Amino acid sequence: EAQLVESGGGLVQPGGSLRLSCAAAGFTFNTYGMTWVRQAPGKGLEWVAGISGTGGSTYYADSVKGRFTISRDNSKNTLYLQMNSLRAEDTAIYYCADTNYYDSSGSWGQGTLVTVSP
Amino acid sequence: DIQMTQSPSSLSASVGDRVTITCRASQNVITYLNWYHQRPGKAPKLLIYAASSLQSRVPSRFSGSGSGTDFTLTISSLQPEDFATYYCQQTYSTPRTFGPGTRVEIK
Repeated sequence: EAQLVESGGGLVQPGGSLRLSCAAAGFTFNTYGMTWVRQAPGKGLEWVAGISGTGGSTYYADSVKGRFTISRDNSKNTLYLQMNSLRAEDTAIYYCADTNYYDSSGSWGQGTLVTVSP
Repeated sequence: DIQMTQSPSSLSASVGDRVTITCRASQNVITYLNWYHQRPGKAPKLLIYAASSLQSRVPSRFSGSGSGTDFTLTISSLQPEDFATYYCQQTYSTPRTFGPGTRVEIK
């Protein structure tokens, strides 16, 4: 069974940077696309970024384009999200998830909280 | 970007009730439409992918239908563990947009 474990969240000042990690186990990591989805406190789900299995293709929401970078290290079975120029509106729980049939996400991590505040 | 809407935004129902949630896309997404639910404090869980395919190990009381711009999620007999927020998501194009959610509460 697939397992995804996020880490790297925390409190950061506006304008700061943070790198999230997502360690994967229980499936052939390099054959799956992966995605980051976030949820601001009390709000709905927002798709943030996606990456193909090889890492050759990446996709971003307009709200993070140019500030966030999704990447992966298939030798370490790990997904990353580098977040720069953070804003208060980036405060959220960040989930990593796989992408499978029709790019649906059947496996999710438990989430990591990012708080952007002075 | 493709905008997703859901109706209703919330509903109250009793155990055993039949519940229907509607999702509409602003453009044709063919059948690239997935349904999730999320219980408080938990990660989302995939219920239906490709508009009508039941995810593995999801109870058969959940079903999905539709194509193009209009989709429906039906719970045939609501169970206590189904009280949650339900989201649709289109994966036809990027950004992969979610609907705003439908909260299903206990009557």
